[in-house]
Amino acid sequence: EVRLVESGGGLVQPGGSLRLSCGAFGFTFNKYYMSWVRQTPGKGLEWVAKITDDGSEEVYVGSSKGRFTISRDNAKNLVYLQIDGLRVEDTAVYYCARDWLVGGTGPAFEIWGQGTMVTVSS
Amino acid sequence: DIQMTQSPSTLSASVGDRVSITCRASQSVNAWLAWFQKKPGKAPRLLIYKASTLEVGVPSRFSGSGSGTEFTLTISSLQPDDFATYYCLHYNGASRTFGQGTKVEV
Repeated sequence: EVRLVESGGGLVQPGGSLRLSCGAFGFTFNKYYMSWVRQTPGKGLEWVAKITDDGSEEVYVGSSKGRFTISRDNAKNLVYLQIDGLRVEDTAVYYCARDWLVGGTGPAFEIWGQGTMVTVSS
Repeated sequence: DIQMTQSPSTLSASVGDRVSITCRASQSVNAWLAWFQKKPGKAPRLLIYKASTLEVGVPSRFSGSGSGTEFTLTISSLQPDDFATYYCLHYNGASRTFGQGTKVEV
């Protein structure tokens, strides 16, 4: 079964750090770009970051540059999102999503994890 | 970064109605545009990719059209399960951007 499973969310104080993990199952992980997307309470979806199949390129939305770091371990089929200097406004459900198949012409973002909740509060 | 402007933000409709949602890009994204359905507590569900290709398993009442900077998601006959929030997403080039969302409600 093709699936993504996130972990690592929780309650963190402002200024703290958190590393989210996303495990990939049932597909050739190292052929896909991977993205993180978040949804803050009562608001819309926001794309946060993307990493290429081999980890050579990372791209971030403007608001997350400098505090967010996306990385991957292709040997373990894992993608990570490190968030430093957490702010109250980072409170959200964070999803990982299977982004683009390198050389593919089919769908992107058709596989999502269940989401992991990050709450930033004192 | 490319900005995506989605309209309307809220759409009131009834079962059986034909509804359309528009997404405009600040610059051309060619056909690299997807549509998602989002319900509370669930992950987004891909409906349409490459502007007009129906994802496997998605009912044929959903359709997408457009290219360049203007795109439309149409539901031909709204069903009870379709009341949700819909988002467009461009995935052209390095970055990605979602539209602000359209809530389809009774």
